[in-house]
Amino acid sequence: EPEVTQTPSHQVTQMGQEVILRCVPISNHLYFYWYRQILGQKVEFLVSFYNNEISEKSEIFDDQFSVERPDGSNFTLKIRSTKLEDSAMYFCASTTGVNVLTFGAGSRLTVL
Amino acid sequence: ELKVEQNPLFLSMQEGKNYTIYCNYSTTSDRLYWYRQDPGKSLESLFVLLSNGAVKQEGRLMASLDTKARLSTLHITAAVHDLSATYFCAVSNTGNQFYFGTGTSLTVIP
Repeated sequence: EPEVTQTPSHQVTQMGQEVILRCVPISNHLYFYWYRQILGQKVEFLVSFYNNEISEKSEIFDDQFSVERPDGSNFTLKIRSTKLEDSAMYFCASTTGVNVLTFGAGSRLTVL
Repeated sequence: ELKVEQNPLFLSMQEGKNYTIYCNYSTTSDRLYWYRQDPGKSLESLFVLLSNGAVKQEGRLMASLDTKARLSTLHITAAVHDLSATYFCAVSNTGNQFYFGTGTSLTVIP
């Protein structure tokens, strides 16, 4: 069964460092998303991406965040200067637009 | 913004008992989703409900949708320990934005 692939599975970084989280959505999917989940808390929407541009973003997705689809398969989330409060699990998800939203396994980010 | 509320937030139930989780949402939506999340894991799709009155069942879980009341329920029948997890409902709008509820953490006690 097709799946959404995320790397790395876990990243530890120092506060102020840049982090790039990578995702390979399912190949025929058109809509891509990043969500984050602080341990034990709700799933928070960050950004959605369609037709090579951001379609919607939340208040969390400030100037420190950016997304990119550098080629036909990868979808990346960059955090320019990490803060302690960025420590969370980041989930990539994708959908065809008429089907269920499929999530990747997540990337756990720990900021020290 | 579409708001999604779940209750209860935490649920502790004995094996063999029945219980219902509720999901209310604030504006019209044609699609309602239920996901399961095990600790430290990703979200796994359980059900997609696409129309008013839709009912879907898988094992001990049954989900239903009432679009007029903007309410979905996830009913658990004769709970077993393996059902312990966090359950999220989500709704999507015509722009393919997905809005998640706060989650219900279910613990089934032997």
